[in-house]
Amino acid sequence: DAGVTQSPTHLIKTRGQQVTLRCSPKSGHDTVSWYQQALGQGPQFIFQYYEEEERQRGNFPDRFSGHQFPNYSSELNVNALLLGDSALYLCASSYGGVGVLGKNQPQHFGDGTRLSIL
Amino acid sequence: QKEVEQDPGPLSVPEGAIVSLNCTYSNSAFQYFMWYRQYSRKGPELLMYTYSSGNKEDGRFTAQVDKSSKYISLFIRDSQPSDSATYLCAMSSRKTSYDKVIFGPGTSLSVIP
Repeated sequence: DAGVTQSPTHLIKTRGQQVTLRCSPKSGHDTVSWYQQALGQGPQFIFQYYEEEERQRGNFPDRFSGHQFPNYSSELNVNALLLGDSALYLCASSYGGVGVLGKNQPQHFGDGTRLSIL
Repeated sequence: QKEVEQDPGPLSVPEGAIVSLNCTYSNSAFQYFMWYRQYSRKGPELLMYTYSSGNKEDGRFTAQVDKSSKYISLFIRDSQPSDSATYLCAMSSRKTSYDKVIFGPGTSLSVIP
């Protein structure tokens, strides 16, 4: 059973460029959340997608946008990259409905995409 | 004041020691509490998941939640060098399945052989 997979593993971009990161959720999961983790910090919530719609968003500017596809996979897009966008970007998946163990299942994370901005 | 606070460490213990990791929080709406372990260059791995106050044990790991004090703990018994990682506490109110998860900054743990 494949877990959460993210691509690419590493990316190097320059200021002002745009980037797209990709995530495939764990089998059976339909909800995808994206997090930004700066060095030495805990993950910070960016947004969550369910049924192809953004249903909650953290304190991130509109430069951060996303998409969820019918197969539940997701993309994170960041425009006009800044040096401060350098971080590990994590995707987490979960089941948004009522599961075998009941509601509110915990999220499972991928290993992230490390984005470096020069 | 941050919603979730955690001593960043680093914490260094000898192999076999009992490790205590702690977090405090300010949002009384939090009901779901999680502990994740994160190895270097890896994503967080779910260790424990508890609802509301009380204790939960899983092998060498015990999670405690004290909602009256807004304080959660993770205990690791018979610590092993393979336990060396960053430990992240996380929590959410989960009034619906929409609620976001808030993480602490993580505690770096080293278990010395």
